Amino acid sequence: GQQVQQSPASLVLQEGENAELQCNFSSTATQLQWFYQSPGGSLVSLLSNPSGTKHTGRLTSTTVTKERRSSLHISSSQTTDSGTYLCAIENSGTYQRFGTGTKLQVVP
Amino acid sequence: EAAVTQSPRSKVAVTGGKVTLSCHQTNNHDYMYWYRQDTGHGLRLIHYSYVADSTEKGDIPDGYKASRPSQENFSLILELASLSQTAVYFCASSGKGVSNERLFFGHGTKLSVL
Repeated sequence: GQQVQQSPASLVLQEGENAELQCNFSSTATQLQWFYQSPGGSLVSLLSNPSGTKHTGRLTSTTVTKERRSSLHISSSQTTDSGTYLCAIENSGTYQRFGTGTKLQVVP
Repeated sequence: EAAVTQSPRSKVAVTGGKVTLSCHQTNNHDYMYWYRQDTGHGLRLIHYSYVADSTEKGDIPDGYKASRPSQENFSLILELASLSQTAVYFCASSGKGVSNERLFFGHGTKLSVL
């Protein structure tokens, strides 16, 4: 089945620095979403980006379908960005499988 | 914003007992899912459903049953709870198919089996 690998496993940044999170997957993806999980556990979809580049606020995702990889760039990080970022991949006609996430800590 | 409500928010169960986790969504979504989250494993799909009165197996269905009595409601049933089923369980819903549709999650149910 689809394997989803995320890196790094954890990351500590100073407030204001940028973050680059990676997601690699083993099979062709027809859908790719990035999620944010708060320290309290709630999950929110950040953006959907199966191919190309998408921007929303301080977030930019770039997915290179042929190379089976996606990145999430967070610019000018804030302490409120702390949490876990999850990548989820769907193959055609199935459901989304998740990576194990990148735990981000932004310190003042 | 889609609303997905799970109950209970937390539960302590005894080994061998029956546990039912409930999920209710109010956005008229066709698809509903049950995931479990364990440290080191991320989120893994247990069961899902795309229409009332029908359920499908996900990646880790053993030891779990699911029930979709209506479009709005989706339950996860542990007939004989085991220690290994201690985890946080998330329900999610989405529109017609997952492709190009966002997943909306409930707040999770923390299940402890003792």
